Amino acid sequence: SNELTQPPSVSVSPGQTASITCSGDKLGDKYACWYQQKPGQSPVLVIYEEKKRPSGIPERFSGSKSGNTATLTISGTQAMDEADYYCQAWDSSSVVFGGGTKVTVL
Amino acid sequence: QMQLVQSGAEVKKPGASVKVSCKASGDTFTNYYMHWVRQAPGQGLEWMGIVNPSGGSTNYAQKLQGRVTMTRDTSTRTVYMELSSLRSEDTAVYYCARGGYYDSGSYYHPFLCTQWGQGTLVTVSS
Repeated sequence: SNELTQPPSVSVSPGQTASITCSGDKLGDKYACWYQQKPGQSPVLVIYEEKKRPSGIPERFSGSKSGNTATLTISGTQAMDEADYYCQAWDSSSVVFGGGTKVTVL
Repeated sequence: QMQLVQSGAEVKKPGASVKVSCKASGDTFTNYYMHWVRQAPGQGLEWMGIVNPSGGSTNYAQKLQGRVTMTRDTSTRTVYMELSSLRSEDTAVYYCARGGYYDSGSYYHPFLCTQWGQGTLVTVSS
């Protein structure tokens, strides 16, 4: 299967750590990346090559991968981090996105 | 830094076609692959395909094969996505996105969407 599975929602208190997982049968053989999308806005790349952050992305965003599961971690979560997060992977000819996870900062 | 500006919202009837444009500025247009991704209301992201602005080669999502066409015009630095035989399920925001990045002169990960346009809402309704 070429699908990526994410939990539909994650809740976190301000200042705490949020972790979002992304699982896929062949994810271990591919690079994973993560996008943040706030309501009414275009997605923004926050993590690529499992753990690299683009310029301008805060250090509280980090990524990791173990086997067929990638994880996005938001440390010291802030209210501004409330958004939908999507994982993505690709092979030589196509791209697949996870279903998305809504992060709610309570 | 490349800027991507998409064309305006469209309303189409079932069975019609729509063509959405994405104009690039601020960086060398032909250096980057370009993606199209769509998002139905309240739903997740769906990859549609990729076009190489340099040679014009394309690769489409299997689900859309036969209905989608991606082209580019290097003289105007614009990529286009045309979707035909529209149905209500095609109602979505359509995004273009720049693929990959350069590091020390080498191009990496064309399938990584590093920068996105503002999106174009296409509504299919009778």
